Amino acid sequence: DTAVSQTPKYLVTQMGNDKSIKCEQNLGHDTMYWYKQDSKKFLKIMFSYNNKELIINETVPNRFSPKSPDKAHLNLHINSLELGDSAVYFCASSRGFWAGETQYFGPGTRLLVL
Amino acid sequence: TQLLEQSPQFLSIQEGENLTVYCNSSSVFSSLQWYRQEPGEGPVLLVTVVTGGEVKKLKRLTFQFGDARKDSSLHITAAQPGDTGLYLCAGAQAAGNKLTFGGGTRVLVKP
Repeated sequence: DTAVSQTPKYLVTQMGNDKSIKCEQNLGHDTMYWYKQDSKKFLKIMFSYNNKELIINETVPNRFSPKSPDKAHLNLHINSLELGDSAVYFCASSRGFWAGETQYFGPGTRLLVL
Repeated sequence: TQLLEQSPQFLSIQEGENLTVYCNSSSVFSSLQWYRQEPGEGPVLLVTVVTGGEVKKLKRLTFQFGDARKDSSLHITAAQPGDTGLYLCAGAQAAGNKLTFGGGTRVLVKP
């Protein structure tokens, strides 16, 4: 059974389009995250939700909007895609938001904006 | 500059050799984690250290957290090709679990 799953795995789209990435976890965790990993493999937190409530909102363009319909799902919608949005986006989850909690990562969504 | 600096950025060694990866910062962390990421996959947690001076061993891997909780190291003894991957350190600074990642160290172990 996949613990944290993301769809799609690959996403190729044109500049200016709007796209969504979906994430689901079946671990019963309360906290979910979105990360962006750039071409140099640098991984940076974007958002985090705890019990469907937004608790981390880093300096991310407001073209990015996360949505958590329930504790098991955290989706990421991106409006007006730009070339610089090309990256691998990882979803992760943890039991709670305490320091040192293990974060379980999904397989990533490779976004290429042309 | 990044909050967590990893060195080296890339390490290529022969099977059987030892290696050490460093993770340094001028800031204090409440906890520090090491992850390994393989191509096409997400990072997987190896260890969490929370106490200054703490040393944890997982088979051939030894992790150390600095006394001041500002730095950490990962040492692999007798490296094997299966140890190949991207090693990432990540720290949490406050009570919450917001992680700041280092830039990663790419390790290649040649048979």
